[in-house]
Amino acid sequence: RKEVEQDPGPFNVPEGATVAFNCTYSNSASQSFFWYRQDCRKEPKLLMSVYSSGNEDGRFTAQLNRASQYISLLIRDSKLSDSATYLCVVNPSSSGSARQLTFGSGTQLTVLP
Amino acid sequence: NAGVTQTPKFQVLKTGQSMTLQCAQDMNHNSMYWYRQDPGMGLRLIYYSASEGTTDKGEVPNGYNVSRLNKREFSLRLESAAPSQTSVYFCASSEAKRGGNQPQHFGDGTRLSIL
Repeated sequence: RKEVEQDPGPFNVPEGATVAFNCTYSNSASQSFFWYRQDCRKEPKLLMSVYSSGNEDGRFTAQLNRASQYISLLIRDSKLSDSATYLCVVNPSSSGSARQLTFGSGTQLTVLP
Repeated sequence: NAGVTQTPKFQVLKTGQSMTLQCAQDMNHNSMYWYRQDPGMGLRLIYYSASEGTTDKGEVPNGYNVSRLNKREFSLRLESAAPSQTSVYFCASSEAKRGGNQPQHFGDGTRLSIL
């Protein structure tokens, strides 16, 4: 089983739609969670951290379910510019060190006009 | 503010050739990383450096060496390139605070092809 698993997609949604991605992780001791965004042929960029209580940043909402070991990302009112690959990232270290992050393979989103 | 700078951006090598990928960051970060990204595989950690003067193996270190030259610079060397090392290579850096909730900042990548 992969340490971090994501549905690769692709997700093709119309502009204005709401779309949700899920990600599961295998190490129950994992401490830190992030969503990164990666545009085609570009570097990954941090979209948002994921906090235990859930958090929101504009149209983006991240949730963490420790009992079921999954993380979700909800995008409301999708824009064309949201088209990208979304990477689920987990710090599996129980010591809390940021030294190693485990990246999912990514979920590809295309927002259609 | 340049962030993380990688050179070169593109490179084509023949099997058996050697080369060094350069990475520098200007954010005064303690930790630096080298990843490779292959289709369908996600990012995989090759080596990392928690602080100046230390380096450690990641998930896929074979065929690579690294040098943490100073706090700013972290280089990746391929001693004898193989076609399996054709990939996109990313350098990243982060703060090294306890708690682990520190994101990584990436360079824009080096696209390496080994013929």
